[in-house]
Amino acid sequence: SQTIHQWPATLVQPVGSPLSLECTVEGTSNPNLYWYRQAAGRGLQLLFYSVGIGQISSEVPQNLSASRPQDRQFILSSKKLLLSDSGFYLCAWSRRDGETQYFGPGTRLLVL
Amino acid sequence: AQKVTQAQTEISVVEKEDVTLDCVYETRDTTYYLFWYKQPPSGELVFLIRRNSFDEQNEISGRYSWNFQKSTSSFNFTITASQVVDSAVYFCALIPRTHSGGGADGLTFGKGTHLIIQP
Repeated sequence: SQTIHQWPATLVQPVGSPLSLECTVEGTSNPNLYWYRQAAGRGLQLLFYSVGIGQISSEVPQNLSASRPQDRQFILSSKKLLLSDSGFYLCAWSRRDGETQYFGPGTRLLVL
Repeated sequence: AQKVTQAQTEISVVEKEDVTLDCVYETRDTTYYLFWYKQPPSGELVFLIRRNSFDEQNEISGRYSWNFQKSTSSFNFTITASQVVDSAVYFCALIPRTHSGGGADGLTFGKGTHLIIQP
């Protein structure tokens, strides 16, 4: 069966510090990978998606970037965090047909 | 562009009552998928169901049932004999079927309904 991991689970960072969140998927090959953010108010917004190694598409202009160095690894980064980057970050994967997305446990980020 | 509306921000019922969560969507795509996800206090989004736009047959899974009506662009979710463990935020979501691999839109989510089941 497939599993998806995210770490860290929680993170408190000062404004201006760098960020690196990691997501890995097990039990499948060539998945599509996604990063979503859930800010206060509970709405979920797609940030990035990837259909393969090194292939990243961004949905909204922002302070964040994403990378996919390996088939089942997806990384969310920032060089300098802003207060507005606080939120709950969810990674998801789907099969190549993209029909159903399965989510990881999430990372809670608080920028102070 | 797509839009998913969950008009009920919060619902509170007593255990064993039936409860229906409403979802109304807008899309210009002729084929699409609709989803329901559950988000317990731990935060993880748990996949519950996926429906294809061309399949309006209602579905039942244990205490859960889903009513898809294309004519009214609604995909409602009913929990019968609710239990305290059903307490969570429930999200309805949509993705165009033409956008394989997630496409440029990913999932479009509603804002969620916070369901509180009181013992």
